This record gives sequence, C-alpha cells and structure tokens, in this order.
Amino acid sequence: DGGITQSPKYLFRKEGQNVTLSCEQNLNHDAMYWYRQDPGQGLRLIYYSQIVNDFQKGDIAEGYSVSREKKESFPLTVTSAQKNPTAFYLCASTGEGEKLFFGSGTQLSVL
Amino acid sequence: KQEVTQIPAALSVPEGENLVLNCSFTDSAIYNLQWFRQDPGKGLTSLLLIQSSQREQTSGRLNASLDKSSGRSTLYIAASQPGDSATYLCAVPNYGQNFVFGPGTRLSVLP
Repeated sequence: DGGITQSPKYLFRKEGQNVTLSCEQNLNHDAMYWYRQDPGQGLRLIYYSQIVNDFQKGDIAEGYSVSREKKESFPLTVTSAQKNPTAFYLCASTGEGEKLFFGSGTQLSVL
Repeated sequence: KQEVTQIPAALSVPEGENLVLNCSFTDSAIYNLQWFRQDPGKGLTSLLLIQSSQREQTSGRLNASLDKSSGRSTLYIAASQPGDSATYLCAVPNYGQNFVFGPGTRLSVLP
C-alpha cells in the first residue's frame, strides 16, 4: 500500500541533544512538507521541499534542519537550538494537482 | 501571505443533525482547496479536494463547496453521527509553494 511513514511515534529529547524524525513516502511525490502542531492550535510550516536536493524554510524554521537526498525521504532534525521542541510533528507529501497526504505523526517531548 | 480562518471554532450537536462548517481565505488565486479530518493524536485524513474549476465535491454524507470570488468554502455534513466527532481543517495553496491551514473546527456529535 502506498503512503507516508513517520517514525518514531514517540520521541524524547534530553537538553542539548539533537534528534531526527523520519519521514518516508512511496507515493512518488515530488513535494514534501514538515508541519508542527501545538495543543489546540493549527499547523505551522517548518520546512518544505519541492524537488530532490532543494528545500525552503517555512514560517518557523529556526532550530530545525532538513535534508532531501532521496525523493522518498525527508528527515527533520530538531537541534538543541530549538528551545521549545515539545509538539506533534506531521510530515506530508503531494504530487501536482493531487491531494495532500499525511503521515501518522511523531510526538516529541523533552525529558 | 495567504491566511485561513474557520468558523465556528467548536461545535456540539445531537446525533442526526445536519451541520455546516465554514472556511475563509484571503487570496482567491488558489488552484484547489482541501478539507481534512483529524482525530486526537493522529495525522490528517483527506476528506475532499475541490479544484478551482469545480464548485463542489461530494463524498457520502459530506459535501464541500467552493466560492473563489468570495474567498469561502463550506463543508456540509448530513445526518451527523458520533463517529463524525473530530477536528475538521481546511487548507489552501500558498502561492503554489506550500499549503496554509485553518485553525480547525472541533466537532462533537452527541449520541
């Protein structure tokens, strides 16, 4: 079955630590996105990529980094510079004119 | 920058009622609009995608309409059921680069 896989489902970060969230899709989509969702709030865009080896900052990119070395993969690293990382992180992908598909999300918490 | 609002923020109705959720956007130069459902702690599930050339889309008990000139979309849910309880979000393209989401409408359908 085609879809988007996010892992892990739950992740805990110690102070000063970098952590990486995985996002893999087998839908052959060119565009991929990372959103952050805080409790009771909407989705805010962190980074997006419309093609391999290229990506752009979204509205809240500070403290985060990404790479897009393969079409299928768009990992997000939450760096120690992100002082308030506790949130629900959602990865999405789409093809031109198609629906936006989402993964099941990763809940990141600080120890 | 595209901005999206949704009214009401929350809605509680008895089972069987028909209801309407509203989505407004500031820039009418969109090529589609999408409605999503989100259950607590889960990713987003696409419900309906309306292309800019269409005025409405239907799927089962759901009907979504789009009026680009007024910057509005409505999601109509017929004969609501307790299983419809979730948060409903709309999203529009942001100058073809990424997607902007509304804050959502939290729906509770009471048995």
